[in-house]
Amino acid sequence: GENVEQHPSTLSVQEGDSAVIKCTYSDSASNYFPWYKQELGKGPQLIIDIRSNVGEKKDQRIAVTLNKTAKHFSLHITETQPEDSAVYFCAASVRGSQGNLIFGKGTKLSVKP
Amino acid sequence: GAGVSQSPSNKVTEKGKDVELRCDPISGHTALYWYRQSLGQGLEFLIYFQGNSAPDKSGLPSDRFSAERTGGSVSTLTIQRTQQEDSAVYLCASSLEWGGETQYFGPGTRLLVL
Repeated sequence: GENVEQHPSTLSVQEGDSAVIKCTYSDSASNYFPWYKQELGKGPQLIIDIRSNVGEKKDQRIAVTLNKTAKHFSLHITETQPEDSAVYFCAASVRGSQGNLIFGKGTKLSVKP
Repeated sequence: GAGVSQSPSNKVTEKGKDVELRCDPISGHTALYWYRQSLGQGLEFLIYFQGNSAPDKSGLPSDRFSAERTGGSVSTLTIQRTQQEDSAVYLCASSLEWGGETQYFGPGTRLLVL
């Protein structure tokens, strides 16, 4: 089955710097890759997603890149702000199948003012 | 509009008791998923429902866990004879359709088994 690995487990940056979180997946059939942000005591919130027919997607300060050949995808946050502090999860699924997401173990991002 | 809601938000129970967790998906969403998040861990898939089809129970960790979805809407996850290792956050998500569509999560139920 699918296995998703996520690195780093913790990341600390200064406000205004960039943050990069990387994930690898094992199932070449996976074709949908969402990223979720989870704040303390809340459920995960989708922040961006990418499908396998696209190499890069950007939404304001957030971007995701996908390398299908290497089976890895990354989240890039530019101009980080203290409110970006949270746990970020990557996930993968096979669109067209049952669609249940396989998650990485999360990255705790701390943005220091 | 209204998102996914879950109740209760917190539940403390004694080992051996049964618990029921409820999920109200976004109106019109046909797919519903349950996940479990243990302390410091990622999210583990438990079960999913698509419309009126039989659920995929492949992720349930033991036969003490069961779930149902009535009328294609509200879902209840039941844990019988709870154990301390069942302590976790139980998250529900729904999506418009089956198969890789965007999943929207509820706030979760935090279960503590003493």
